[in-house]
Amino acid sequence: EPEVTQTPSHQVTQMGQEVILRCVPISNHLYFYWYRQILGQKVEFLVSFYNNEISEKSEIFDDQFSVERPDGSNFTLKIRSTKLEDSAMYFCASSAIRARNEQYFGPGTRLTVT
Amino acid sequence: KNEVEQSPQNLTAQEGEFITINCSYSVGISALHWLQQHPGGGIVSLFMLSSGKKKHGRLIATINIQEKHSSLHITASHPRDSAVYICAVRAPYSGGGADGLTFGKGTHLIIQP
Repeated sequence: EPEVTQTPSHQVTQMGQEVILRCVPISNHLYFYWYRQILGQKVEFLVSFYNNEISEKSEIFDDQFSVERPDGSNFTLKIRSTKLEDSAMYFCASSAIRARNEQYFGPGTRLTVT
Repeated sequence: KNEVEQSPQNLTAQEGEFITINCSYSVGISALHWLQQHPGGGIVSLFMLSSGKKKHGRLIATINIQEKHSSLHITASHPRDSAVYICAVRAPYSGGGADGLTFGKGTHLIIQP
């Protein structure tokens, strides 16, 4: 069964560094999403992406964040100048054009900022 | 902005018991998801509902659009069902773009043998 994959599974970085989290959505999916979950809190929407541009973003998704689809398979989330409060689990999801409501989640990347 | 409330927050039950987890939301939606999150952190989608009822194995999900309420039931619960169950909703379609989900805080379920 096709699945969304994410790399790395765990990333440790120092405060102020830039990180790139990578996602490979399901191959025929055209809608892409990033969510984050701070430890002990609920999952929060960050951004959605369609047709090579951001569709929607939350108030969390400020200038520190950016997303890109650099090629036909990867979808990346870049966090510039990481802060301690960026430590969280980051989930990627994707959905198909004919089933936009059905989002498939990746296993997540645990980001630890020290 | 939709507010998603789940109850109970925590639930401990004995193996074999019938489990019900509730979700209510404040604003109309296009779809509601029930998700499962295991201690390792990964999220698995269980159901996506826009109306009525769905069943998969021992899991049943129902939604009442008029009352803005959904329930997830687990029959013949088993220790392997222990996880966090999360309700998430999608706003009505607002165009051709992709809209994110709004999540509840989750229900921590423990099934004891």
